[in-house]
Amino acid sequence: EMQLVESGGGLVQPGGSLKLSCAASGFTLSSYWMHWVRQVPGKGLVWVARINGDGSDTSYVESVKGRFTISRDNTKSTLYLQMNGLRGDDTAVYYCTRGDAHAFVLWGQGTMVTISS
Amino acid sequence: QTVVTQDPSFSVSPGGTVTLTCGLRSGSVSTNYYPSWYQQTPGRSPRTLIYNTNIRSSGVPDRFSGSILGKKAALTITGAQADDESDYYCVLYLGSGIWVFGGGTKLTVL
Repeated sequence: EMQLVESGGGLVQPGGSLKLSCAASGFTLSSYWMHWVRQVPGKGLVWVARINGDGSDTSYVESVKGRFTISRDNTKSTLYLQMNGLRGDDTAVYYCTRGDAHAFVLWGQGTMVTISS
Repeated sequence: QTVVTQDPSFSVSPGGTVTLTCGLRSGSVSTNYYPSWYQQTPGRSPRTLIYNTNIRSSGVPDRFSGSILGKKAALTITGAQADDESDYYCVLYLGSGIWVFGGGTKLTVL
C-alpha cells in the first residue's frame, strides 16, 4: 500500500525552527516530485513547496521563500521541510503529497505546527 | 487577492447534479493549467478526485467528472449523495514551479 506519514510537528516559539519529515512507503520516492501543502485549521489549502525527483530543483510559495527549505533523501524514502524564522501565520497542518501530472495524487495524514509564545 | 477563484458555497439536492467552477482572477483557465480537484471533509486529509483536467483518480466514481467550461475549469457531480457534502478545492499549475489552490467551495447536500 502506498503511504505517506508526516512527523515532526509541534509547538515552537516565534522565530524558532522546526524540521518536518515525511516517510514514503509502497512506491519509489525518487520517481516523483514531492510537495508540501499546508492548511490553517478551518481555512483553505495552500501549496508551500515542491522538489523534483533527484532534489536538484525546488520552488516555493512567496511567503516562505528564504525561510523554508524542502529536501529529500531518496535512500531513506523521506521528504523534509526545514522551517526557520517561524511566524504565527505559519501555524497550520502540514501535508506532504506526491506529485503527478502537475497534481497532488497521494496525501499524508498531516502534522500540526503551532507557532506561539 | 485570490488568484484562483471558487464560489464559497453551493448546494445541491440529493440525486441532483452540480457543477463547481475554478477560475482565474484575470484570464481563462485552459488545460495548460492542469486543473485538479480535491475533496476534503473536516479533520481528514484531502482526497484527489480529478487531475489533468478530466482524469479521475483511482477509486473515484464516475459520478465525478472534470472539464473546461468556458473560461473556467469545472467539476461536475451527478447523482449527488449525502456523503458528497464536503469542501472542494481546485488547484492550477501556473508554470515556473508554482501551484495555487482556490479558496474552496463548501458543498451542501440538502
